[in-house]
Amino acid sequence: ETGVTQTPRHLVMGMTNKKSLKCEQHLGHNAMYWYKQSAKKPLELMFVYNFKEQTENNSVPSRFSPECPNSSHLFLHLHTLQPEDSALYLCASSQTGGSYNEQFFGPGTRLTVL
Amino acid sequence: ELKVEQNPLFLSMQEGKNYTIYCNYSTTSDRLYWYRQDPGKSLESLFVLLSNGAVKQEGRLMASLDTKARLSTLHITAAVHDLSATYFCAVDMRYSGGGADGLTFGKGTHLIIQP
Repeated sequence: ETGVTQTPRHLVMGMTNKKSLKCEQHLGHNAMYWYKQSAKKPLELMFVYNFKEQTENNSVPSRFSPECPNSSHLFLHLHTLQPEDSALYLCASSQTGGSYNEQFFGPGTRLTVL
Repeated sequence: ELKVEQNPLFLSMQEGKNYTIYCNYSTTSDRLYWYRQDPGKSLESLFVLLSNGAVKQEGRLMASLDTKARLSTLHITAAVHDLSATYFCAVDMRYSGGGADGLTFGKGTHLIIQP
């Protein structure tokens, strides 16, 4: 595997289900991010992790729960979602400590909440 | 509130023509990023611009940054169909030096290049 991978690529869930999205980066980076891309809004940052520690929660509802067990893996646990949460969820990673913050994105998980 | 505004949001052009996409932002950041997204695909990093006056070119695409005007441009020269995609510009949300920082994106420019 290379780059940033995400599973599953597509997910359909009911409002009462619990599911998890997985992201893995194979780039040796130390920072990971969750973004939401919906039709109605620009790409929105959700969470930032730096060396496994959460450094940013961009006012995300508690029905989204991130987990970062190590610098290579990032999860997004979902429960009691709403139909308006249907979107493309993108994971990204970057190497901090340099002069810029170029982020590399995974293919995304297309989530549909019924 | 940090704002990143792109225009146009939609652009249809013919092959062989030149055009420019504009990105205005409201911070004092001197770092700006351009990404490309093909339909149903993820974002691909195109350019990282790090200072005032920075210019980068890759094939038919050229990006520039004017930090004083808080403006970046993405210029397309002699467009070809393969360049059809959505192009996003982004800036660091806080520009915390070398730390992890989310990006704030523009709404994207949906570019269609007709044969």
